[in-house]
Amino acid sequence: DTGVSQNPRHKITKRGQNVTFRCDPISEHNRLYWYRQTLGQGPEFLTYFQNEAQLEKSRLLSDRFSAERPKGSFSTLEIQRTEQGDSAMYLCASSLAGGSKVYNEQFFGPGTRLTVL
Amino acid sequence: SQQGEEDPQALSIQEGENATMNCSYKTSINNLQWYRQNSGRGLVHLILIRSNEREKHSGRLRVTLDTSKKSSSLLITASRAADTASYFCAPAFNDYKLSFGAGTTVTVRA
Repeated sequence: DTGVSQNPRHKITKRGQNVTFRCDPISEHNRLYWYRQTLGQGPEFLTYFQNEAQLEKSRLLSDRFSAERPKGSFSTLEIQRTEQGDSAMYLCASSLAGGSKVYNEQFFGPGTRLTVL
Repeated sequence: SQQGEEDPQALSIQEGENATMNCSYKTSINNLQWYRQNSGRGLVHLILIRSNEREKHSGRLRVTLDTSKKSSSLLITASRAADTASYFCAPAFNDYKLSFGAGTTVTVRA
């Protein structure tokens, strides 16, 4: 399978615990994105990387959230001291950008569903 | 908010009929993308239409874009049960961030 993969697919945790999610993008894609989706809503942009550089973070991304893409390949999203309001689907997407390619089709993974009790 | 807004929120049609949903946005875009989401396959990219394009086709899908009205439409022709899903428009106001609306839930009845 050459699509975007995410692990774990489901995570149940207790309030106050830390959680970490992993995303493996399509191998030749240089951009990686994190979105959050709550029930009945569309995905909301959280942050994105071009190679290993994190270029933008949404104000939705509080200081309890941190994302990394250390080698420009896979990425991790960590949430510290989880709150019930963090319960959502966390989606990762990747795209190929740069050079003559200025339009940015993003391909999404299946998501990690987080439930904070 | 810069996000797209889809209309209607929900749509129920008979198999074989066409389904049309609309998207409006508020500021100039780089491009606009349509996605489908169902529980089985997650969020799937359907079509990207550039700001200088007016219409685009992909199989049974037709997307139009009217930048003067800041609106787009997605037409699904000859609908099938497998088209049952939520459809999202995602205007891109720059070359990296997609701003999704809340989506249109389409139910295709057999």
